[in-house]
Amino acid sequence: QKEVEQNSGPLSVPEGAIASLNCTYSDRVSQSFFWYRQYSGKSPELIMSIYSNGDKEDGRFTAQLNKASQYVSLLIRDSQPSDSATYLCAVNRLGGTSYGKLTFGQGTILTVHP
Amino acid sequence: DTGVSQDPRHKITKRGQNVTFRCDPISEHNRLYWYRQTLGQGPEFLTYFQNEAQLEKSRLLSDRFSAERPKGSFSTLEIQRTEQGDSAMYLCASSSSRVTSYGEQFFGPGTRLTVL
Repeated sequence: QKEVEQNSGPLSVPEGAIASLNCTYSDRVSQSFFWYRQYSGKSPELIMSIYSNGDKEDGRFTAQLNKASQYVSLLIRDSQPSDSATYLCAVNRLGGTSYGKLTFGQGTILTVHP
Repeated sequence: DTGVSQDPRHKITKRGQNVTFRCDPISEHNRLYWYRQTLGQGPEFLTYFQNEAQLEKSRLLSDRFSAERPKGSFSTLEIQRTEQGDSAMYLCASSSSRVTSYGEQFFGPGTRLTVL
């Protein structure tokens, strides 16, 4: 089992729809959870971080965390063609010997079509 | 621009040559990470520095790879005797170890290495 798994893509949604991206992780001591957006040929850009169970909203983005189910998701409301990118889920745990290194999923490609 | 910077952005080399990449982190960040990313995969951790100390190194990292962070500022990643399998995007990220930080890491633009 991979440490971080994302739902297989690609995911295609029409403009204005809600895009839902999912991620599960295997390490129960994971503490911080991140969503990065990566455009083709570019580096990852941090768009959301979440540390506590529940929802966290930032503009059109909502991150949801359920530690009991080891599940984190990202919702993008009113999807725009500019949201078309690869979305990477990343987890880390602070303290001990992990030093906060991020473990990434393989990414989900999102395409928003007009 | 106060973000993470990397140099060069692209490097093409022949198999067997040595290459060195540089990363300048965000100025107030004392944690610095190197990752490698191949097509269709998420970034993979290589090594970590806190200030000038290299505290963690991936078991997947070959002995041909070495990294330094003299004086706790910029960092260099050297690959000796490059192989075609080393072709990838090499990413540098930095973060703060302040109590209020949850480990958010900010990435530089990356160095794309092509080994012919």
